[in-house]
Amino acid sequence: AQSVTQPDIHITVSEGASLELRCNYSYGATPYLFWYVQSPGQGLQLLLKYFSGDTLVQGIKGFEAEFKRSQSSFNLRKPSVHWSDAAEYFCAVGPSGGYQKVTFGTGTKLQVIP
Amino acid sequence: DVKVTQSSRYLVKRTGEKVFLECVQDMDHENMFWYRQDPGLGLRLIYFSYDVKMKEKGDIPEGYSVSREKKERFSLILESASTNQTSMYLCASSLPQGANEQFFGPGTRLTVL
Repeated sequence: AQSVTQPDIHITVSEGASLELRCNYSYGATPYLFWYVQSPGQGLQLLLKYFSGDTLVQGIKGFEAEFKRSQSSFNLRKPSVHWSDAAEYFCAVGPSGGYQKVTFGTGTKLQVIP
Repeated sequence: DVKVTQSSRYLVKRTGEKVFLECVQDMDHENMFWYRQDPGLGLRLIYFSYDVKMKEKGDIPEGYSVSREKKERFSLILESASTNQTSMYLCASSLPQGANEQFFGPGTRLTVL
């Protein structure tokens, strides 16, 4: 069965500092991998996705993620965090099953301090 | 601008009431989903629909049912609401092929007293 682990529940960074959010997955084949962001009071928005090809994926809002098959990881990075990046971030893996299920991680809440 | 809308942002109901949560998408998507989101548990799939009148159970369907009479509308029904169904409910839609991007609504925060 597919699964996603986000080991950090909360992360606090200073504005302007770099950011890395961890994501480890378990999947039987080459996965589709996603990062979503949820701002307070909002639904989820896709930041980026990996299906195949270049293992370094660029997304919106200056985020990038690197797929490392040997480590079963898909970590999200940003070189310089802005106060508006404070949100909850979800990693997801799929598909599986007859209805193409995507499994979400438990999320990492990012706090940005001035 | 693509959009998924949910009928209520906040809802308060009493134990035993029948509750309807409505979701509408304007992207002509075949797939629609209902999730519940709880702190520390992430998003858990309740039900999924891949076409009108078609539905599949997700990971936690107990206590819920769904209805999809039109392509753009997917309803979640709590037949007899219980306090353990207090949660944030998120609706999403996507194209059918592969694991496409899901577009989410803003969520409905349901409190069952």
